[in-house]
Amino acid sequence: GQNIDQPTEMTATEGAIVQINCTYQTSGFNGLFWYQQHAGEAPTFLSYNVLDGLEEKGRFSSFLSRSKGYSYLLLKELQMKDSASYLCAVRDLSGGNTGGFKTIFGAGTRLFVKA
Amino acid sequence: EAGVAQSPRYKIIEKRQSVAFWCNPISGHATLYWYQQILGQGPKLLIQFQNNGVVDDSQLPKDRFSAERLKGVDSTLKIQPAKLEDSAVYLCASSLDQRGNSPLHFGNGTRLTVT
Repeated sequence: GQNIDQPTEMTATEGAIVQINCTYQTSGFNGLFWYQQHAGEAPTFLSYNVLDGLEEKGRFSSFLSRSKGYSYLLLKELQMKDSASYLCAVRDLSGGNTGGFKTIFGAGTRLFVKA
Repeated sequence: EAGVAQSPRYKIIEKRQSVAFWCNPISGHATLYWYQQILGQGPKLLIQFQNNGVVDDSQLPKDRFSAERLKGVDSTLKIQPAKLEDSAVYLCASSLDQRGNSPLHFGNGTRLTVT
């Protein structure tokens, strides 16, 4: 089955860099997503990785190692508005006989940015 | 493009009553997802459709929850009868496809309170 692990909470200082880790176990990996979710709002897409390596997008970067079942989200030049939950999600083979891929989420990491 | 539309935004019912949620995905998106998000947790996949077929419903409590996606567009999720533990936000999402770099776009969700 699938299992996705993330730290529950992290705290960082405005202007600093923070790395949020995610480890996963899948049966048919088809990509990994990072989403941001502010309190009371819906998740919004941040990044996608399917090959090993680093994907950079402005202040946000995401890394993937498929052999280790590991990813991280790197946030640079932290701002107060970055205080949110960060969700790691994996696209994996569905266990049914449809041959399809389902997208499942981890519990999320709550990031607190302090002045 | 118009986003994912969900209704209602809020619903309060008593236990053992029934409730239905509606979702209209982004036009052209083949894959539709229903997630349950309990406060402080990550989204839990209830059911995933590809067009009007079910990709995965392994986490759907089928004794009380049902969902359909007639004509492969709109979808409804029903709970009958509701229990206290069903209090959560129900998120609908859609994506172009179930594979690859096809991120999920979420609606604003329906916040359900069961008393």
